[in-house]
Amino acid sequence: GIQVEQSPPDLILQEGANSTLRCNFSDSVNNLQWFHQNPWGQLINLFYIPSGTKQNGRLSATTVATERYSLLYISSSQTTDSGVYFCAVMGYSGGGADGLTFGKGTHLIIQP
Amino acid sequence: DAGITQSPRHKVTETGTPVTLRCHQTENHRYMYWYRQDPGHGLRLIHYSYGVKDTDKGEVSDGYSVSRSKTEDFLLTLESATSSQTSVYFCAISAGAEQYFGPGTRLTVT
Repeated sequence: GIQVEQSPPDLILQEGANSTLRCNFSDSVNNLQWFHQNPWGQLINLFYIPSGTKQNGRLSATTVATERYSLLYISSSQTTDSGVYFCAVMGYSGGGADGLTFGKGTHLIIQP
Repeated sequence: DAGITQSPRHKVTETGTPVTLRCHQTENHRYMYWYRQDPGHGLRLIHYSYGVKDTDKGEVSDGYSVSRSKTEDFLLTLESATSSQTSVYFCAISAGAEQYFGPGTRLTVT
């Protein structure tokens, strides 16, 4: 099956710093999503981005499908950005009904 | 929040007992999923459903069964719980191309 690797696994930053999280995947995908899991365990949808670039406030994401990677940018970090960021993909083989394959996540800590 | 609820939210059970977790959605989505999350891992797919009475296995389906007799409910059953099934279980739906997740059920098997 498709493999998803995220880097870095851990990241500690001061409030106000910028960060870039990376997601590499091993095959063509028809779905790529970024999630934020907050300290209470809730999974929050950030972006649906199988290709191209999107922005939402201080967050933006870019997926280069031909090179099989996606980047999540967080600017002017706030303590509420802390948590685990997951990249998840779905390949073409499942016909659309299969579930997502998740990376292991990037654990982000923003210190005040 | 895509109208997804899970019950119970927390459960402690003993090895060998049967356990059923419920996922309920209010928006008539066709596709529903069960995942588990363990420390150091992302979420892994257990089973999914593409309609009433239509289900299929995911990556980690051993020891689990599912049922979907109504569009709104997707049940996950551990026939005989084991300690390796201690985990956080998430239900999800597909709304268009995106998946949305419920709040999770923390299950501890002692």
